Amino acid sequence: SAVISQKPSRDICQRGTSLTIQCQVDSQVTMMFWYRQQPGQSLTLIATANQGSEATYESGFVIDKFPISRPNLTFSTLTVSNLSPEDSSIYLCSATRAAKETQYFGPGTRLLVL
Amino acid sequence: KNQVEQSPQSLIILEGKNCTLQCNYTVSPFSNLRWYKQDTGRGPVSLTIMTFSENTKSNGRYTATLDADTKQSSLHITASQLSDSASYICVVSKAAGNKLTFGGGTRVLVKP
Repeated sequence: SAVISQKPSRDICQRGTSLTIQCQVDSQVTMMFWYRQQPGQSLTLIATANQGSEATYESGFVIDKFPISRPNLTFSTLTVSNLSPEDSSIYLCSATRAAKETQYFGPGTRLLVL
Repeated sequence: KNQVEQSPQSLIILEGKNCTLQCNYTVSPFSNLRWYKQDTGRGPVSLTIMTFSENTKSNGRYTATLDADTKQSSLHITASQLSDSASYICVVSKAAGNKLTFGGGTRVLVKP
């Protein structure tokens, strides 16, 4: 299995600012992903974090709003830029070693934008 | 329309009782189906993962079934415990790529 940690676990931010979320995996993984989960909803994939290259974004999500870095096989960051109250959500990091294997999730980062 | 539909949306059961959650999907081409448990305020934790050829898989008191012909899956919880109170999410993976399609989840509340 893989253990995933996220920092911060929660934050309250002002409108117009940015928040960077860190994701650390305890072992090397092939794929890392970022999800958003709005209250009472299921998970929506934001992007796949590619090691050493630009992330692959899903429809409705753009790099300017959600810049992602993945400098190595165990670490990734997601920045949520120019925050608005609609960005209030839980952001989850996920990782897997292979496409058909279990995908492990971090504990999530709860973001509240005022 | 979501390609993974779960029912019921929520249910309440008494401690010690059994329950069954349903998942219907239209995702194609199919690779595998996963059930996750998500406690409040936590990330999802994998319970089972089944491929096309697997009909049933157990993880302790959790038993998942899969009928790939009818595109239906169920998750059976036996002798429920208070700690089973959580959301249970059905997730289907496409054969091409690694895209996961998430169901809306079933919120289970186990009462003493």
